[in-house]
Amino acid sequence: ILNVEQSPQSLHVQEGDSTNFTCSFPSSNFYALHWYRWETAKSPEALFVMTLNGDEKKKGRISATLNTKEGYSYLYIKGSQPEDSATYLCALNDYKLSFGAGTTVTVRA
Amino acid sequence: DAGVIQSPRHEVTEMGQEVTLRCKPISGHNSLFWYRQTMMRGLELLIYFNNNVPIDDSGMPEDRFSAKMPNASFSTLKIQPSEPRDSAVYFCASSSPGRGTDTQYFGPGTRLTVL
Repeated sequence: ILNVEQSPQSLHVQEGDSTNFTCSFPSSNFYALHWYRWETAKSPEALFVMTLNGDEKKKGRISATLNTKEGYSYLYIKGSQPEDSATYLCALNDYKLSFGAGTTVTVRA
Repeated sequence: DAGVIQSPRHEVTEMGQEVTLRCKPISGHNSLFWYRQTMMRGLELLIYFNNNVPIDDSGMPEDRFSAKMPNASFSTLKIQPSEPRDSAVYFCASSSPGRGTDTQYFGPGTRLTVL
C-alpha cells in the first residue's frame, strides 16, 4: 500500500471563487496518479490519470498537475460552482489503487 | 455499456447471517477490485483479481471474508458470519488489461447494514 496524503481534509469556497488542494506522496514508485470525483451517494468517477513529471490535465474548469520529483499533485477548480461540491480523491496506481482520504469541497452559493 | 453492475444495492441483515455481494465488471475488463468504504478508514482495497485469479487479498480483514471470480463476468464477496462492524459500503471496480495506468471504473456500491 502506497502512502497518499491529501490536504486539506475539507474546504468551503464561495461560488465563483477558484480553489486548489494537494495530494502528496513520499515515493514516485507508481505507474500513475489518478484523481477521482466522488459525490455523496454515488460512486467515484474518474477525472484524470497522470503518469509523467510535469503532466497537466484539464477537463472544463478543473485541472491537475503532477510533480513526481517533489512528490505532489495539485487539483484546481476555477470559478467554483455548486455542482463542484464533492470529495476529490487522489490515488496512486501500482496495479492496485492506494487512495488518499480525500478533500471534501463545499461550494456555497 | 452498462458499466459495473453491483447487487444488491442495499442489504440489511442480522448478525451471524451470511451475506453475498455480487459484481459484474465491464465487458472486456480483466481486472476486478473489491473496496470497502467506512468513515474510519475511508476507501480501502480488500482484494483484486486479474484474469479471474486473486492477485492480492492482503486487504481482506479476516477469514469471515471470501471472494471468488468464477468467470470473467462475475465476482462475489461473501461474509460469513456477518458482524455489525462489517456495516459499510462495498464497491466493486474493474479496469481494462494489464497496464498500471488504467482507470478503474466503479460500480454503484452495496450499502450493507448488519444489525
